[in-house]
Amino acid sequence: SQTIHQWPATLVQPVGSPLSLECTVEGTSNPNLYWYRQAAGRGLQLLFYSVGIGQISSEVPQNLSASRPQDRQFILSSKKLLLSDSGFYLCAWSGDDMNTEAFFGQGTRLTVV
Amino acid sequence: DQQVKQNSPSLSVQEGRISILNCDYTNSMFDYFLWYKKYPAEGPTFLISISSIKDKNEDGRFTVFLNKSAKHLSLHIVPSQPGDSAVYFCAASGNFNKFYFGSGTKLNVKP
Repeated sequence: SQTIHQWPATLVQPVGSPLSLECTVEGTSNPNLYWYRQAAGRGLQLLFYSVGIGQISSEVPQNLSASRPQDRQFILSSKKLLLSDSGFYLCAWSGDDMNTEAFFGQGTRLTVV
Repeated sequence: DQQVKQNSPSLSVQEGRISILNCDYTNSMFDYFLWYKKYPAEGPTFLISISSIKDKNEDGRFTVFLNKSAKHLSLHIVPSQPGDSAVYFCAASGNFNKFYFGSGTKLNVKP
């Protein structure tokens, strides 16, 4: 069966520090991968998605970047965090066929202080 | 600009009664719709979905209805149970396989 791992669960970082959140998927190959952020009142906002190694699409301009160095690994990064980067970050995967569901990791609560 | 909207931030229902959660979308290219349930500090879990070729899909106590002409879908939970208390997210996707979510509705089922 497929599983998705996301870590860390919580993170407190000072403004201006770098960020690296990692997500890995097991039990499937060539998944579509996603990073979402949950902000108050705005639901789940799609930040990045990837259909393959090295293929990243950004949905919104922001202080963050994403990379996919391996088929089942997705990384969310920032060189210098802003206060506004605080939020609940979720990684998700889906199959590459049509009309399929997305499955989410447990999320990372990031607090920038 | 949100393409998927849930206009009710919260809903309170008595145990045993029906819960109806609503969702509207604007993009006519969406052809697959999903509902997720989310507890605090956890990732959303998939509940039920419906393809645009159908107008109803049922799974146990959960039924999703789709009205394409109105660009509206709803989730019915019958009977509602206290364990159903959570935030429910509506989502939509199209042939680009990106999932767009609404802002969520917090359901409280009172014993």
